[in-house]
Amino acid sequence: DQQVKQNSPSLSVQEGRISILNCDYTNSMFDYFLWYKKYPAEGPTFLISISSIKDKNEDGRFTVFLNKSAKHLSLHIVPSQPGDSAVYFCAASTRHGGATNKLIFGTGTLLAVQP
Amino acid sequence: EAGVAQSPRYKIIEKRQSVAFWCNPISGHATLYWYQQILGQGPKLLIQFQNNGVVDDSQLPKDRFSAERLKGVDSTLKIQPAKLEDSAVYLCASSLQGTEQYFGPGTRLTVT
Repeated sequence: DQQVKQNSPSLSVQEGRISILNCDYTNSMFDYFLWYKKYPAEGPTFLISISSIKDKNEDGRFTVFLNKSAKHLSLHIVPSQPGDSAVYFCAASTRHGGATNKLIFGTGTLLAVQP
Repeated sequence: EAGVAQSPRYKIIEKRQSVAFWCNPISGHATLYWYQQILGQGPKLLIQFQNNGVVDDSQLPKDRFSAERLKGVDSTLKIQPAKLEDSAVYLCASSLQGTEQYFGPGTRLTVT
């Protein structure tokens, strides 16, 4: 049972344009969501997160949007750069007392930013 | 600040052999995680330690996998005996009191 789904295995975008990566989840108990970026032969690197009490969180070129009613979140990268080319994983969790329980990861989306 | 260290980076073994992976978390991080990432899938949590105690090992195949975290710092993950389906990247991560997790580079295991 895949609780976190990334239905697009890959995405190709031109440099300077917007990249939109999507993620859906099924467990309504999830209240904390994260995006990780992974280059080949490296471990995932934390990118940005959002709590369920918010619907948007922004950090530089990266913005995450959360739609709780649709159980959907998306990561926007504007403008996209060739160095953004990587696999992006969506992850979800529950929190208590400020601590995060185990992360449930999606299957990842390979983003290719073309120069 | 040094990141999460893992060794070896690559390992090739035959089925039914045993193998061990080592992880050194970021200094001061009390929480340590081991994940298994099979090709084409996202990382799946195998075991979570808080200091040297196990918090969650519900998805650890305990008939063949074992893990320990002596003195609440370094950790080892062992597979004995290995099966073909254990071929994966094994990722170690650590966090400060259960906040954002920082991952090591992983160990790529190939079982032939």
